[in-house]
Amino acid sequence: SAVISQKPSRDICQRGTSLTIQCQVDSQVTMMFWYRQQPGQSLTLIATANQGSEATYESGFVIDKFPISRPNLTFSTLTVSNMSPEDSSIYLCSVAGGHSEQFFGPGTRLTVL
Amino acid sequence: KNQVEQSPQSLIILEGKNCTLQCNYTVSPFSNLRWYKQDTGRGPVSLTIMTFSENTKSNGRYTATLDADTKQSSLHITASQLSDSASYICVVSVGSNYQLIWGAGTKLIIKP
Repeated sequence: SAVISQKPSRDICQRGTSLTIQCQVDSQVTMMFWYRQQPGQSLTLIATANQGSEATYESGFVIDKFPISRPNLTFSTLTVSNMSPEDSSIYLCSVAGGHSEQFFGPGTRLTVL
Repeated sequence: KNQVEQSPQSLIILEGKNCTLQCNYTVSPFSNLRWYKQDTGRGPVSLTIMTFSENTKSNGRYTATLDADTKQSSLHITASQLSDSASYICVVSVGSNYQLIWGAGTKLIIKP
């Protein structure tokens, strides 16, 4: 398994601003994923981020709103841009393990006022 | 349409009691099924992962079953503890490309 950390663990932001969430892994991984979990809901995949290529976004998510960087095999960032209260969620990164397993970070709890 | 349905939505039981959570899925092509535990405000943690040929898998007090014919899975928790209070999410992997179909989860509350 991999040990994954996220920063910040939580934040309260004003409408119209942007927040960048960092995800750090203790080992080199090819595939990383970003998820959103809205209050009381299960996880929804935002995008898949592979090192050395553009992130692949799921239906309903666009790069202008959720730009992702993947500069190396242990790090990724997700930016939530021009935030609105509807963006209040927990954002989680995960990494791919063997047998299509995924390991999750602790999440970033975002509240937009 | 690929989907995973879980029941019940929520469950309250007394500490020390057993419980069983259900998962029905319609996913193709099926790769594997896993159960995650998610504590409030935390990321999901994998409890078990089962492939098509596996019927039962245990992890301590957690036992998962899989019936690939009826496309049903269950998670049985034995001798529940207060720390078992969490959401339990059934997730099915599609094919070999890390695509996951998530259930809505069962919120389990253990009362002393």
